[in-house]
Amino acid sequence: GDSVTQMEGPVTLSEEAFLTINCTYTATGYPSLFWYVQYPGEGLQLLLKATKADDKGSNKGFEATYRKETTSFHLEKGSVQVSDSAVYFCALSEDRAGTALIFGKGTTLSVSS
Amino acid sequence: GAGVSQSPSNKVTEKGKDVELRCDPISGHTALYWYRQRLGQGLEFLIYFQGNSAPDKSGLPSDRFSAERTGESVSTLTIQRTQQEDSAVYLCASSQGQGGYYGYTFGSGTRLTVV
Repeated sequence: GDSVTQMEGPVTLSEEAFLTINCTYTATGYPSLFWYVQYPGEGLQLLLKATKADDKGSNKGFEATYRKETTSFHLEKGSVQVSDSAVYFCALSEDRAGTALIFGKGTTLSVSS
Repeated sequence: GAGVSQSPSNKVTEKGKDVELRCDPISGHTALYWYRQRLGQGLEFLIYFQGNSAPDKSGLPSDRFSAERTGESVSTLTIQRTQQEDSAVYLCASSQGQGGYYGYTFGSGTRLTVV
């Protein structure tokens, strides 16, 4: 079945460091890919998405490119801030009736000043 | 409403009791999803509604779990004879259409603690 694999956390960085959180997926069709973020004490929020190969999703300085050849959707940010400390979830959806988002296990990011 | 609303936000219950968790989706969102998030774990899919019907109940962990949705709006997740392993945050999400193309809007969750 479909699945999402994220790098294990926690990831600990200093402010202004470069961030990469790896995400790879297994899917039978052509899924849409998502990154969700969960800030401490808050619900999950959609961070960015890409719906087809080679699309780049971006938001709040974060980017991820849908790579079909490597089945990956790695999240990157050039300069992290303390306020980026959160749990990040990679997810996919097959975009057909009767399917639900499949999430990775989440990666905790902690940024210190 | 403006967002997905879940109630209660916190629930402590004794082992063996039944609990009901409520979700109010965004008005007009036809699809509604329930997930469970155990401490330090990812999101575990429980059930999906399209309108008032549930095409996919595959994630419900046991027959103690059930869910319904009425009027293409409110949904309730019921856990009977709660066990300590049911302790988790239960998340509800809604979306405009089927599948994930539009992304989901999540509620803040109900934190259930079974003692």
